[in-house]
Amino acid sequence: DGGITQSPKYLFRKEGQNVTLSCEQNLNHDAMYWYRQDPGQGLRLIYYSQIVNDFQKGDIAEGYSVSREKKESFPLTVTSAQKNPTAFYLCASSETGNPLEQYFGPGTRLTVT
Amino acid sequence: GEDVEQSLFLSVREGDSSVINCTYTDSSSTYLYWYKQEPGAGLQLLTYIFSNMDMKQDQRLTVLLNKKDKHLSLRIADTQTGDSAIYFCAVDGSGNTGKLIFGQGTTLQVKP
Repeated sequence: DGGITQSPKYLFRKEGQNVTLSCEQNLNHDAMYWYRQDPGQGLRLIYYSQIVNDFQKGDIAEGYSVSREKKESFPLTVTSAQKNPTAFYLCASSETGNPLEQYFGPGTRLTVT
Repeated sequence: GEDVEQSLFLSVREGDSSVINCTYTDSSSTYLYWYKQEPGAGLQLLTYIFSNMDMKQDQRLTVLLNKKDKHLSLRIADTQTGDSAIYFCAVDGSGNTGKLIFGQGTTLQVKP
């Protein structure tokens, strides 16, 4: 089955620790995205990548880092510099060009205490 | 920058029609999208409309686009309890940036 997987579903960390969220797709899509979702605020773009070995900052990149070494993988690291990391994180992928039909993973809920 | 606005909550009775509204600021958006999110899950693309169209129908879903007023709506006919979810409007903005801009989402509650 083709799709996007995110692991784990729930993640708990202590404040001050870096944590990496996994995102893998087997849809052969060139573009991948990371969003953060908070209640009542919709989705906010953290980083996106339109091709391997290249990525761009989104609207709220501070405190986050990414890599795109393989087409199918786009891991997100939440660093200790992110002031409010507790949130629901969504990964998506798409082909490049319009229409931009993004396919989403099931999400990872990160709780930092 | 581009702004996309939606009302936060809509409640309807099962069998009624639901209309979810969205306004946006960038008139150069090429495609406009509707996504559905069920509790604790990712988003699922429901439908999209090209900016030179006024209407698109897909089974129980009807999308209306008023470019002059920068207003997009999603009508769900014969709403069912399984339609209860958060619905997001998104636009691709200007400049072919490869990004989507999402609204805050409208929570649809369907009462039996």
